[in-house]
Amino acid sequence: NAGVTQTPKFRILKIGQSMTLQCAQDMNHNYMYWYRQDPGMGLKLIYYSVGAGITDKGEVPNGYNVSRSTTEDFPLRLELAAPSQTSVYFCASSKGDRGGGNQPQHFGDGTRLSIL
Amino acid sequence: EDQVTQSPEALRLQEGESSSLNCSYTVSGLRGLFWYRQDPGKGPEFLFTLYSAGEEKEKERLKATLTKKESFLHITAPKPEDSATYLCAVDKETSGSRLTFGEGTQLTVNP
Repeated sequence: NAGVTQTPKFRILKIGQSMTLQCAQDMNHNYMYWYRQDPGMGLKLIYYSVGAGITDKGEVPNGYNVSRSTTEDFPLRLELAAPSQTSVYFCASSKGDRGGGNQPQHFGDGTRLSIL
Repeated sequence: EDQVTQSPEALRLQEGESSSLNCSYTVSGLRGLFWYRQDPGKGPEFLFTLYSAGEEKEKERLKATLTKKESFLHITAPKPEDSATYLCAVDKETSGSRLTFGEGTQLTVNP
């Protein structure tokens, strides 16, 4: 019963490097989300998707890109890593509710990213 | 401006000492309020959804309640394993598929 799987769990990048954070869910959820969580802070929404081929910006999208080619996968791309992107990144998914009202989001265990 | 504020930021309890965590919100058109538990090094884990004022939900030592301005997470006779950060999040009519999270309350229960 995998749920939401994020890889890698830890990563150290140098300034200016690029990388992709992977997220996969096996619950056939339509909605997927990427958040970042800085120490002592809440979750800030980076990007989200309501279905394959559809993505939209959240609160803090600058410096990131996403794609959603399948229902299961929602990778997050950092093109030019900056120290301000040091954070813990969480991917989440939910059934969504097109009739209004969101279903609970299910989270992965995060990717801890340090940019040095 | 919509806001979700959790208090206190941190709470230390002795085992068996009951208390409450608060989540106050200033959003219009609330559709639902979610409570999550987050253990160190893990992602948030869903606990409850509340949809309307007066609603209550319980799970073991936890009970969540909702009014028109705030939600409380009551913890009765807590145990050390209840130690975690508790997050609330609101779903409002104009937010589409997005939730707005509070910053959490870090709860420590000492044996």
